[in-house]
Amino acid sequence: ETGVTQTPRHLVMGMTNKKSLKCEQHLGHNAMYWYKQSAKKPLELMFVYSLEERVENNSVPSRFSPECPNSSHLFLHLHTLQPEDSALYLCASSLGRLGEQYFGPGTRLTVT
Amino acid sequence: EDQVTQSPEALRLQEGESSSLNCSYTVSGLRGLFWYRQDPGKGPEFLFTLYSAGEEKEKERLKATLTKKESFLHITAPKPEDSATYLCAVQASGGFKTIFGAGTRLFVKA
Repeated sequence: ETGVTQTPRHLVMGMTNKKSLKCEQHLGHNAMYWYKQSAKKPLELMFVYSLEERVENNSVPSRFSPECPNSSHLFLHLHTLQPEDSALYLCASSLGRLGEQYFGPGTRLTVT
Repeated sequence: EDQVTQSPEALRLQEGESSSLNCSYTVSGLRGLFWYRQDPGKGPEFLFTLYSAGEEKEKERLKATLTKKESFLHITAPKPEDSATYLCAVQASGGFKTIFGAGTRLFVKA
């Protein structure tokens, strides 16, 4: 595998479910990001991890819980989501916290 | 407040019809400006980084330019495969956050 991978690619969950999104980067980067992308809106930064330490939490509701066990893996744990949380969730990585980011294909999440 | 505005929201071109996309930004000191391409159902793909006014970068039919207030992505003789959403993003000095614009959806008809 190369680049940034995300699983699953599609997820449908009820409001009472608990699920996790997984991201893995094979680029040797040391910073990883979660973004939310809704239709016709700019990408919204959710979380940033640098050297496995969370350095930014953009006022994200507690029903989203990130985890970064090492510099190659990033998870987003989901619980008791709302329908308005339906969106494309993108993972990205970069070498350092400056410069261009490389994105995974995203997880299309639908909350019913 | 740091802000990025892209225009137009959508652009429809005939194959071979050159045009430009605009990205206006307001930041407290620009560290870098980025262009990405995003195809439907995929994540954004990095295209260019520009750091200072007057800088230009080229890749195939795309050319990105930068002034102190805006950046342009010029598309020369586009082809249908250039159809995508083009995203602009900036990083401000003094911080590490990347701020994205809402994008321009480009449609190129054969």
